[in-house]
Amino acid sequence: QKEVEQDPGPLSVPEGAIVSLNCTYSNSAFQYFMWYRQYSRKGPELLMYTYSSGNKEDGRFTAQVDKSSKYISLFIRDSQPSDSATYLCAMSSNSGYSTLTFGKGTMLLVSP
Amino acid sequence: GAVVSQHPSRVICKSGTSVKIECRSLDFQATTMFWYRQFPKQSLMLMATSNEGSKATYEQGVEKDKFLINHASLTLSTLTVTSAHPEDSSFYICSARKPGQNYGYTFGSGTRLTVV
Repeated sequence: QKEVEQDPGPLSVPEGAIVSLNCTYSNSAFQYFMWYRQYSRKGPELLMYTYSSGNKEDGRFTAQVDKSSKYISLFIRDSQPSDSATYLCAMSSNSGYSTLTFGKGTMLLVSP
Repeated sequence: GAVVSQHPSRVICKSGTSVKIECRSLDFQATTMFWYRQFPKQSLMLMATSNEGSKATYEQGVEKDKFLINHASLTLSTLTVTSAHPEDSSFYICSARKPGQNYGYTFGSGTRLTVV
């Protein structure tokens, strides 16, 4: 079993839809959870960051962490064509200079 | 914000030659930088951790003599792919964390290497 599982998609939705992206993980030591957005042929950019369990909201984006289920989610409300990208979840066991473990990424396509 | 610049963005080289990729932190000093490799539709795989003033730490399975890393200053790390072969063709990305930023890492824009 891989440490982090993420459905690669593609996930196709119409503009305005609510998008749900998810990752599961097996390492219970993970405490820091991040979502990155990566456009084609570009480096990832940090979207959301959460520590331990709970929700965090930033504009149209909401990140959820359920450590008991080892499951994290990213919700995108009122999706836009400009949201079309690959979304990678990442996690680490501490906030120091620890390495990040990434999911494979989910490709999201938002059609106008 | 924290900005990481990576150069070149794209390079094509002949098999057997060496290619150098630069990663610079533009507005902060980075004692540690990370180098990743990403194949199409695959996740980012950590290759090595670059440490300023000391040897890089390589992940298991990564050949340190093939992927030479130099972190000569607090704002620059370089990755040299030596004697490149077509199977080295990939997307290489560096990242760094700005001191005081307790979460996440800033990534460079990546380098698309094609070995022909």
